[in-house]
Amino acid sequence: EAQVTQNPRYLITVTGKKLTVTCSQNMNHEYMSWYRQDPGLGLRQIYYSMNVEVTDKGDVPEGYKVSRKEKRNFPLILESPSPNQTSLYFCASRPGLAGGDTQYFGPGTRLTVL
Amino acid sequence: QKEVEQDPGPLSVPEGAIVSLNCTYSNSAFQYFMWYRQYSRKGPELLMYTYSSGNKEDGRFTAQVDKSSKYISLFIRDSQPSDSATYLCAIPFNFNKFYFGSGTKLNVKP
Repeated sequence: EAQVTQNPRYLITVTGKKLTVTCSQNMNHEYMSWYRQDPGLGLRQIYYSMNVEVTDKGDVPEGYKVSRKEKRNFPLILESPSPNQTSLYFCASRPGLAGGDTQYFGPGTRLTVL
Repeated sequence: QKEVEQDPGPLSVPEGAIVSLNCTYSNSAFQYFMWYRQYSRKGPELLMYTYSSGNKEDGRFTAQVDKSSKYISLFIRDSQPSDSATYLCAIPFNFNKFYFGSGTKLNVKP
């Protein structure tokens, strides 16, 4: 089954404790992206990657890191999480960069930083 | 000014009603306009997209773009309880960035 998977689905952590949220897609997609979703603010793009070793900042990259060492994986790293990073996070992938290419979203990771 | 603004709702309608969901955008260079549907506790999924101005119809759903007023709409005819979800407008830019509206929560009552 074609899908985007994220782990963990739920995470409660404390301020300053480094964490990684994994994202993997099995569709051989070139483009991957991370979003956070907050009430009233909608989905905001954190980082995106157009291919292996090619990443760039979205609208809200502060406090996050990413890497794209393999085509299928795009982990999101929070080196020193803070309470304002409590949010619902989505990973997404799309086949390429054509304007109408569909983005496929993962199931989401709900992160709480105490 | 945000790139995309969306009526926050929530919107509650009886089954069978026509629903109108709307967004405005700021950049006249935007070319593609998308609508995503998000069920509770799920990731968004693409409903439909349009390129440039005009209408696009897919079953009970019609997407409309008015570039002169920078206004996009999604109409749902004969709404069903299964349409209850949050609807997000989205605009890709430069092929790699995506701007999403804040979402409108729709509840269709049986």
